[in-house]
Amino acid sequence: GIQVEQSPPDLILQEGANSTLRCNFSDSVNNLQWFHQNPWGQLINLFYIPSGTKQNGRLSATTVATERYSLLYISSSQTTDSGVYFCAVERDTGFQKLVFGTGTRLLVSP
Amino acid sequence: ETGVTQTPRHLVMGMTNKKSLKCEQHLGHNAMYWYKQSAKKPLELMFVYNFKEQTENNSVPSRFSPECPNSSHLFLHLHTLQPEDSALYLCASSQEGGNYGYTFGSGTRLTVV
Repeated sequence: GIQVEQSPPDLILQEGANSTLRCNFSDSVNNLQWFHQNPWGQLINLFYIPSGTKQNGRLSATTVATERYSLLYISSSQTTDSGVYFCAVERDTGFQKLVFGTGTRLLVSP
Repeated sequence: ETGVTQTPRHLVMGMTNKKSLKCEQHLGHNAMYWYKQSAKKPLELMFVYNFKEQTENNSVPSRFSPECPNSSHLFLHLHTLQPEDSALYLCASSQEGGNYGYTFGSGTRLTVV
């Protein structure tokens, strides 16, 4: 099956710093999503981004489908950005059966 | 109520018990999913339902039994579980052809003793 690798596995930032999280995948995909899981376990969908670039406030994401990677940018990080960031992909069209990466654990300190 | 609601939030059960997890979505989506999240492991897809029909059973042991009575409700029936089944169980929904991605519930943290 498709493999999803995320880097770095852990990241510690000072509040206000910027960061880039990376997701590599082993095959062409029709679907790619970024999620944030807060310390209480809630998963929030950040971006649906099978290709191209999107921005939402301090967060932006870029997927280069032909090169099989996606990047999540966090600017001016805040303590509330702490948690685990997951990339998830799907090869097939139709109903979404996402395969998740192992995540990047982010800690933003004040 | 909006989004995806899961109950209970926490559950402790013995290995001989029978319990059920409930998921309800208020988004008008036509697909629902059960995922399992264990410590130090990626989220694992367990079951997929679209239009109430099960389209995926990802080699899940029979002690987990899903039920989808309609497109808004999804259950996971549990019986004779093992301690290694302790995990966070997450429900999600989506819309085929939509480009807004999954919406997850808050999860049920299950402990098997």
